Amino acid sequence: ETGVTQTPRHLVMGMTNKKSLKCEQHLGHNAMYWYKQSAKKPLELMFVYNFKEQTENNSVPSRFSPECPNSSHLFLHLHTLQPEDSALYLCASAGLAGGGTDTQYFGPGTRLTVL
Amino acid sequence: AQSVAQPEDQVNVAEGNPLTVKCTYSVSGNPYLFWYVQYPNRGLQFLLKYITGDNLVKGSYGFEAEFNKSQTSFHLKKPSALVSDSALYFCAVRDVVNYGGSQGNLIFGKGTKLSVKP
Repeated sequence: ETGVTQTPRHLVMGMTNKKSLKCEQHLGHNAMYWYKQSAKKPLELMFVYNFKEQTENNSVPSRFSPECPNSSHLFLHLHTLQPEDSALYLCASAGLAGGGTDTQYFGPGTRLTVL
Repeated sequence: AQSVAQPEDQVNVAEGNPLTVKCTYSVSGNPYLFWYVQYPNRGLQFLLKYITGDNLVKGSYGFEAEFNKSQTSFHLKKPSALVSDSALYFCAVRDVVNYGGSQGNLIFGKGTKLSVKP
């Protein structure tokens, strides 16, 4: 285990549903990330938070809404998704308290299927 | 702009043979380079990184990588492959442009699938 947990591990939702993905890190890190991993495509960085402040939003559609209430928790709120949003959503964290500068540690991911 | 390339979609190796997974990079300034492994239905696991110092970096599970500045490469190697090494391997470089403090963003390659046959 890397010290980064994600729930749920699997999620099936309809296009009109609202759901949330949760990430929690137990490593004392101050930076947290959301990535999207689709089949046959490179890993896509979606959002970055540093000390609870969003520092990057890589042109992600507004149907994805991140929330970072504190340095240990990160959420991704989902609403009115499209089938092409089906993917593995990975959370990661990094910080000086971890294995060294810049190393990101990943959670196991949430496999999202949009019907 | 920073970038990383993994020229092989798949590498096939017989168990017990040495393996190499290739990675080349393009950065402005000194590169920070990483290798991650992803097993089926799992997140990415950190294997090793090069920041500075010895060009040969040793990591988890017997893997090592050699930093070659003249060839801008950071190939992942293992002397004797195991069937359990079969997985998806990602090379990554830290994004200097968006570097903020010590948590610069990582730019990942598209991944190389390693298949080790008995």
